[in-house]
Amino acid sequence: GEDVEQSLFLSVREGDSSVINCTYTDSSSTYLYWYKQEPGAGLQLLTYIFSNMDMKQDQRLTVLLNKKDKHLSLRIADTQTGDSAIYFCAESPGSGNTGKLIFGQGTTLQVKP
Amino acid sequence: DAMVIQNPRYQVTQFGKPVTLSCSQTLNHNVMYWYQQKSSQAPKLLFHYYDKDFNNEADTPDNFQSRRPNTSFCFLDIRSPGLGDAAMYLCATSRETALVGDEQFFGPGTRLTVL
Repeated sequence: GEDVEQSLFLSVREGDSSVINCTYTDSSSTYLYWYKQEPGAGLQLLTYIFSNMDMKQDQRLTVLLNKKDKHLSLRIADTQTGDSAIYFCAESPGSGNTGKLIFGQGTTLQVKP
Repeated sequence: DAMVIQNPRYQVTQFGKPVTLSCSQTLNHNVMYWYQQKSSQAPKLLFHYYDKDFNNEADTPDNFQSRRPNTSFCFLDIRSPGLGDAAMYLCATSRETALVGDEQFFGPGTRLTVL
């Protein structure tokens, strides 16, 4: 089956690092994504990682992929109040897929000044 | 410079009264998607169009229909809305499908209330 799980809430202090975790079930997933949703806005792609990579870094963002454990994480360095949002992990299932994304339920990141 | 536009942002309808949600894009993308997102839940794909080819998800209720009259526009029709259909409806587009890692661009969503 296809399922993506995330913890629902994370609270950090401004300047600290945030780590948001995600687990998925489809081992044939080709791409894994992180989307951000700010209040009243649509989802915005932050970054994605191809399944044959272990790590991807993009400025303050680091994505780690453990394919064996089907675990994905997003680390935000030097977290700012503007990073407060809901973060969605998503997988692109590889088998029989017509191109859809399977999303987790989202992690609400609260950044305290 | 809005790229994926959804109208209206808020829609109120009555139980059983048909409603249509609208999405338009300025990106000239091949693929358009409709997702349903209930409170504190993951966005769930209802269906998508690749150009004119319609792809319905197996568990999308028959109550939900879609039309794509041209590249730019896609509509979500709910024939007889029930209380359980109250949700945020998200439209997204991509140049190609997620099979090749293409980014999906999302609109701001339409929040549907059913009275």
